[in-house]
Amino acid sequence: QVQLQESGPGLVKPSETLSLTCSVSGASISSGYYYWNWIRQHPEKGLEWIGYMYFSGTTYYNPSLKSRVSMSRDTSKNQFSLKVDSLTAADTAVYFCARSLRTSAHDGFGVWGQGTRVTVAS
Amino acid sequence: QSVLTQPPSVSAAPGQDVTISCSGSSSNIEINYVSWYQQLPGTAPKVLIFDNNERPSGIPDRFSGSKSATSATLGITGLQTGDEADYYCGAWDSSLNAWVFGGGTKLTVL
Repeated sequence: QVQLQESGPGLVKPSETLSLTCSVSGASISSGYYYWNWIRQHPEKGLEWIGYMYFSGTTYYNPSLKSRVSMSRDTSKNQFSLKVDSLTAADTAVYFCARSLRTSAHDGFGVWGQGTRVTVAS
Repeated sequence: QSVLTQPPSVSAAPGQDVTISCSGSSSNIEINYVSWYQQLPGTAPKVLIFDNNERPSGIPDRFSGSKSATSATLGITGLQTGDEADYYCGAWDSSLNAWVFGGGTKLTVL
């Protein structure tokens, strides 16, 4: 059974950089042709897709966030990570990591982590 | 404001049927697959429907999906109190080159 678990600081200051990690069990992030995604949910609002990392390590980001986000991975730990620069209050959200439903980036999201709440405040 | 448009809320009594609409455009719903997600209070979203109308294993056939042109619909039959949740539609947008979602619909089972 594939499981994802997000971790990171619950509170970060404006203008700083947010770093989050998604730990994966039950599947390898470097095989299987899946896409490993980050999605966030602003308070009382809908979902916003941030970007994905393919099993090969190739990344693709939402153009609306591309200038401030980056993803990386540690295959030895089976983890992938998200960084968001130049934080503002608008980055306050619950951040989810999720695996693609199948081996396509456009099919949907089949497995989700429980989410980690991030508040940007001084 | 979300790229896909959903009604903020719907309600119905237990045992009844309900539909939730999702309106998009020629760059998302019309040409790409739609998926639907259920988010129970305090939990992560869970996929209910993918490829417009397919159900993952374990999702009861009370849940169904359909698509026509630039709109999609989630149907739920025989409502149960446990169906109270927020429901989101999502699709890839080929103009924005990003996944887009609806703003969510809160289902209340009266």
